[in-house]
Amino acid sequence: DVKVTQSSRYLVKRTGEKVFLECVQDMDHENMFWYRQDPGLGLRLIYFSYDVKMKEKGDIPEGYSVSREKKERFSLILESASTNQTSMYLCASNTGIVTEAFFGQGTRLTVV
Amino acid sequence: RKEVEQDPGPFNVPEGATVAFNCTYSNSASQSFFWYRQDCRKEPKLLMSVYSSGNEDGRFTAQLNRASQYISLLIRDSKLSDSATYLCVVKGAGNNRKLIWGLGTSLAVNP
Repeated sequence: DVKVTQSSRYLVKRTGEKVFLECVQDMDHENMFWYRQDPGLGLRLIYFSYDVKMKEKGDIPEGYSVSREKKERFSLILESASTNQTSMYLCASNTGIVTEAFFGQGTRLTVV
Repeated sequence: RKEVEQDPGPFNVPEGATVAFNCTYSNSASQSFFWYRQDCRKEPKLLMSVYSSGNEDGRFTAQLNRASQYISLLIRDSKLSDSATYLCVVKGAGNNRKLIWGLGTSLAVNP
């Protein structure tokens, strides 16, 4: 079974903190994605990567950065957390161009 | 116009009912289509891919209408466990690896 693991289920951080969300997949997938999901707004793509050290902006990259130093790991960084970044963050991975995306269990981040 | 549009519902149906969801997409060059299911506070999981010829998996049937640019999901003999949000997903055209997600349709199956 494909496993996508996010480092935390719940996180509470203070405004202005630097926040790292980690995602690891064990199926050698080349594509990895970070989304946030908010009520009424659905899944919105923040960044994605289709190879090590490669990254592309999604629809809402402002306030975020990413790192992909190893194929299995894709990190999302909130440089200076703000309250409007309180959300559910979902990591996903897949392979090729037309395949199923597998998701991690999500990290519910609250910024206070 | 949104790239992928779904009726948000909620759809409230009794057990045993048949329910259908539609989803429209704006890019006629889109190539791949999926239905995902998301339970409350859980991650989305693939329910089924949607093929040009239509496909069926048990009580679930998916159809694609390229001319009208919509896909559909039919659930027959609804179970309580079918209560979830159903997400329509469209892959971008060509080599675009991005998935475009609808906002989801909420289904509640009642005893």
